[in-house]
Amino acid sequence: DAGITQSPRHKVTETGTPVTLRCHQTENHRYMYWYRQDPGHGLRLIHYSYGVKDTDKGEVSDGYSVSRSKTEDFLLTLESATSSQTSVYFCAIRSGDRGRSEAFFGQGTRLTVV
Amino acid sequence: AQSVTQPDIHITVSEGASLELRCNYSYGATPYLFWYVQSPGQGLQLLLKYFSGDTLVQGIKGFEAEFKRSQSSFNLRKPSVHWSDAAEYFCAVGATYKDTGRRALTFGSGTRLQVQP
Repeated sequence: DAGITQSPRHKVTETGTPVTLRCHQTENHRYMYWYRQDPGHGLRLIHYSYGVKDTDKGEVSDGYSVSRSKTEDFLLTLESATSSQTSVYFCAIRSGDRGRSEAFFGQGTRLTVV
Repeated sequence: AQSVTQPDIHITVSEGASLELRCNYSYGATPYLFWYVQSPGQGLQLLLKYFSGDTLVQGIKGFEAEFKRSQSSFNLRKPSVHWSDAAEYFCAVGATYKDTGRRALTFGSGTRLQVQP
């Protein structure tokens, strides 16, 4: 299995509070991604990183920010959590951004905003 | 822009029966195609991938998929389903960044497979 660890695995938080999810990899892959998974929507890309301090927005980035200060860590922050951000969040890594590079996924973080 | 459609949200098959999950993609050039499986409470695991060459690709767990350019499809098949195959299945397409400006895989919405005894 690819060395990807997401923390925490489960979290319940209150509306309006900031939340940070962490993704840690031991593969030294350049590309890291945050997806959210919701019923009927599959996986939707939130943000991704193509190197240290190089990040870009995905299709559902509103309300989220990311940071990558080290190759191995990619943080996702919900600035002020809302109930619509209740979801399962997955981190993924790829060795390259060429189309043929497969993605490896973490185990996911289940976030509930109450 | 690239996109993936999985027309079947939920499929139920009997154990031992054959399985086909449908996937249609939209992309201007030859795509890179993937099938992933997600067991309950788990992350996604790669089943198989297609880059070029033989249009019938073999994957893990006895799965195979066939790329049909004329139909823009990449359907997943298994001759005999086992109860442990119950999971959600995702089709994904990758593209070269210089063509699409997109550095990520695009996923379909998934098909949930239920296996009856």
